[in-house]
Amino acid sequence: GESVGLHLPTLSVQEGDNSIINCAYSNSASDYFIWYKQESGKGPQFIIDIRSNMDKRQGQRVTVLLNKTVKHLSLQIAATQPGDSAVYFCAERPGNMLTFGGGTRLMVKP
Amino acid sequence: DAGVTQSPTHLIKTRGQQVTLRCSPKSGHDTVSWYQQALGQGPQFIFQYYEEEERQRGNFPDRFSGHQFPNYSSELNVNALLLGDSALYLCASSLAGGGSYEQYFGPGTRLTVT
Repeated sequence: GESVGLHLPTLSVQEGDNSIINCAYSNSASDYFIWYKQESGKGPQFIIDIRSNMDKRQGQRVTVLLNKTVKHLSLQIAATQPGDSAVYFCAERPGNMLTFGGGTRLMVKP
Repeated sequence: DAGVTQSPTHLIKTRGQQVTLRCSPKSGHDTVSWYQQALGQGPQFIFQYYEEEERQRGNFPDRFSGHQFPNYSSELNVNALLLGDSALYLCASSLAGGGSYEQYFGPGTRLTVT
């Protein structure tokens, strides 16, 4: 079936640098995309979302970009901090369910 | 304002047994979704409950069943447990028609089948 996937399983960045996590999706019927952060032992935590009629949305230190032409989603984290270390999932929403990718682990080096 | 709560936190069962997991949604939410997350993978949608009925179901066998109560809390039941059912089971709540598709996740129940 169609699914959401990620290009990089692990990303290591220096504290203070910007991070970019990428995601490819395949379901053209999805109208909503979300990035979640999951720390060890916890459930996924909402970071930011974007609707399919948008191509960019900004939050606090985070920006999500959506390129529907190539079915690509990215999460940009500015001035990455040690507290940003976690696994990041992109998810798409066709209908009532969320379809998650496999996740990217972000490691922040001090 | 309590977020999504799940119980128990951890559970160990033997193959062939049955298990019931519980979830209380975030205050004000009326929709509950269940996900299975295997180690190192993203969550997989099991099903969603709204108005005490299963509204949508993912690709899971009938051994997985659920229920939603009038107070919007929910249970996930798994019968005839298999080793492959070992996973983190996540509950997420949302508000139908609330204008936001955001789902709030609980901390999960770690199920180990031996």
